[in-house]
Amino acid sequence: AQKVTQAQTEISVVEKEDVTLDCVYETRDTTYYLFWYKQPPSGELVFLIRRNSFDEQNEISGRYSWNFQKSTSSFNFTITASQVVDSAVYFCALSVLTQGGSEKLVFGKGTKLTVNP
Amino acid sequence: GAGVSQSPRYKVAKRGQDVALRCDPISGHVSLFWYQQALGQGPEFLTYFQNEAQLDKSGLPSDRFFAERPEGSVSTLKIQRTQQEDSAVYLCASSLEGRDEQYFGPGTRLTVT
Repeated sequence: AQKVTQAQTEISVVEKEDVTLDCVYETRDTTYYLFWYKQPPSGELVFLIRRNSFDEQNEISGRYSWNFQKSTSSFNFTITASQVVDSAVYFCALSVLTQGGSEKLVFGKGTKLTVNP
Repeated sequence: GAGVSQSPRYKVAKRGQDVALRCDPISGHVSLFWYQQALGQGPEFLTYFQNEAQLDKSGLPSDRFFAERPEGSVSTLKIQRTQQEDSAVYLCASSLEGRDEQYFGPGTRLTVT
């Protein structure tokens, strides 16, 4: 099965705390892509990162960092020094190739992050 | 340039009515996707277009759902004889091509009463 599991349904932190959102995936593909999206209360999904399965280097972008570990099939997302504006639902997703050359994103159920002042 | 736009943003339909949801992808994007997002859940794939060709419609929940992209740009998702279980947010996404990142529109929230 090709699936994404985000075990944390909701997380609540106080501003300036660091927080890690977990993502575990299952796939039978040898080449695949992993994504993180942010969905603020306005509802629009905002692209954060895409990672190729061959690139296991960790990535940092400002206060955001991602830890990809193929050995444990995990692609975790850390926000350093969280801010109230980080409050949103965060989705991890896996790109799945289908027959006919099409593709789709398989999403986890999301983790709702609340950052309190 | 402009992002993905969708209209209407909100739609209330009585059970049994037909609805049409529109998506304008980012100009030049070859791939277009429709997803359905139920309350408190992640988006679920419905269908995929590469230009005007519908290459995958395996996620459409029933034959009441129909999607088209006749000229390879704007797409319409049509739901016939709406049911209460069709209530959800319908998201459209586009990507340049292949396995590039998908950019999502704001969604259409459909409520069937």
